[in-house]
Amino acid sequence: EAGVVQSPRYKIIEKKQPVAFWCNPISGHNTLYWYRQNLGQGPELLIRYENEEAVDDSQLPKDRFSAERLKGVDSTLKIQPAELGDSAVYLCASSLGDLRTYEQYFGPGTRLTVT
Amino acid sequence: GENVEQHPSTLSVQEGDSAVIKCTYSDSASNYFPWYKQELGKGPQLIIDIRSNVGEKKDQRIAVTLNKTAKHFSLHITETQPEDSAVYFCAASKGSNYQLIWGAGTKLIIKP
Repeated sequence: EAGVVQSPRYKIIEKKQPVAFWCNPISGHNTLYWYRQNLGQGPELLIRYENEEAVDDSQLPKDRFSAERLKGVDSTLKIQPAELGDSAVYLCASSLGDLRTYEQYFGPGTRLTVT
Repeated sequence: GENVEQHPSTLSVQEGDSAVIKCTYSDSASNYFPWYKQELGKGPQLIIDIRSNVGEKKDQRIAVTLNKTAKHFSLHITETQPEDSAVYFCAASKGSNYQLIWGAGTKLIIKP
């Protein structure tokens, strides 16, 4: 079974440029998460989807970040314009969405460097 | 809101010895406590978890203990091996409809 797929793995951009990250969750997983992980810290939730609905986006900086999950499968996270402080690893995770199953499966992440 | 503190930030042990990582949480309503292992260049991977109706759970060389009264939980790794070297994260949640609150991580170094 394929795991969570993310692309690109690495991205270097100049500040004020736009950037987009793509995630394909494990087949059959209804819940999808986007996290940001700064160096030496734990992941920080940006947004959680249940199917195509964003059910928790309270920590998404909406002035520059946007996300979508059309058709409730893969998802895209966008930053426009990027700032130096956005440099981090962006992780995507998915889970079954069953209330009895809590485990989240993570992709390898996209390492973003803003110069 | 919930806060999870994790100690130590770095732990170096001799191969074959045991390692213990401790976490405390602030929200008494939290009922799910997973531990994730993150290797360089990879996403976190769940290694063991415990729910609040259980005090201890074991899986081969890995065990987790939970003290609800004191609001702390610990990861125990016995007979450590070189492949145990990684960053370990604890987390806490009030349930699957709530977000995981993560600790800051512990870098475990296994010395040969």
